[in-house]
Amino acid sequence: DTAVSQTPKYLVTQMGNDKSIKCEQNLGHDTMYWYKQDSKKFLKIMFSYNNKELIINETVPNRFSPKSPDKAHLNLHINSLELGDSAVYFCASCRQADTEAFFGQGTRLTVV
Amino acid sequence: GNSVTQMEGPVTLSEEAFLTINCTYTATGYPSLFWYVQYPGEGLQLLLKATKADDKGSNKGFEATYRKETTSFHLEKGSVQVSDSAVYFCALSARGGYQKVTFGIGTKLQVIP
Repeated sequence: DTAVSQTPKYLVTQMGNDKSIKCEQNLGHDTMYWYKQDSKKFLKIMFSYNNKELIINETVPNRFSPKSPDKAHLNLHINSLELGDSAVYFCASCRQADTEAFFGQGTRLTVV
Repeated sequence: GNSVTQMEGPVTLSEEAFLTINCTYTATGYPSLFWYVQYPGEGLQLLLKATKADDKGSNKGFEATYRKETTSFHLEKGSVQVSDSAVYFCALSARGGYQKVTFGIGTKLQVIP
């Protein structure tokens, strides 16, 4: 069983569209994250949730809205997609703050 | 705030060469330290970790020692293989609370036969 799974793996869409990326973890972790990785491989945290509660919201355009229906799921919805949103988005989870994070395989978003 | 400074790549080595990737950190308190590896087209996976000063993390021939006095966690391997080609990330996370995992910029390693 995959520990952290996210779908879709690839997403190609036009500017202005709205899209969602889904993430599920079966590890029983309380904390989940969304990270954005740019073309230079730099990882930037976007959001952190703990038990469905938003803990960290870095400086991210409000076109990005996370949703956590339960502590095993953290979805990312993006409105009015822009070219600059093209990146790989990673979902991750961890048991608590000082333990290792488990990552999904990533979603490569391409906005054309 | 917390931060991780990692040497920039890319690093190109011949097979069986010795590898060092430098990493230093700034943090309040006593963070846990990690090295993650990202193979092409994949997500990050934990390579090794250390949770307190003088701990040595090791896995797959890689090692790193938590040095509180120099705030460092350098990654080393005595003899690299072509299959080690990947991007390596140094990271830290703080105890208590729900702080983020802070990553370095990543160092791309290419090992040539």
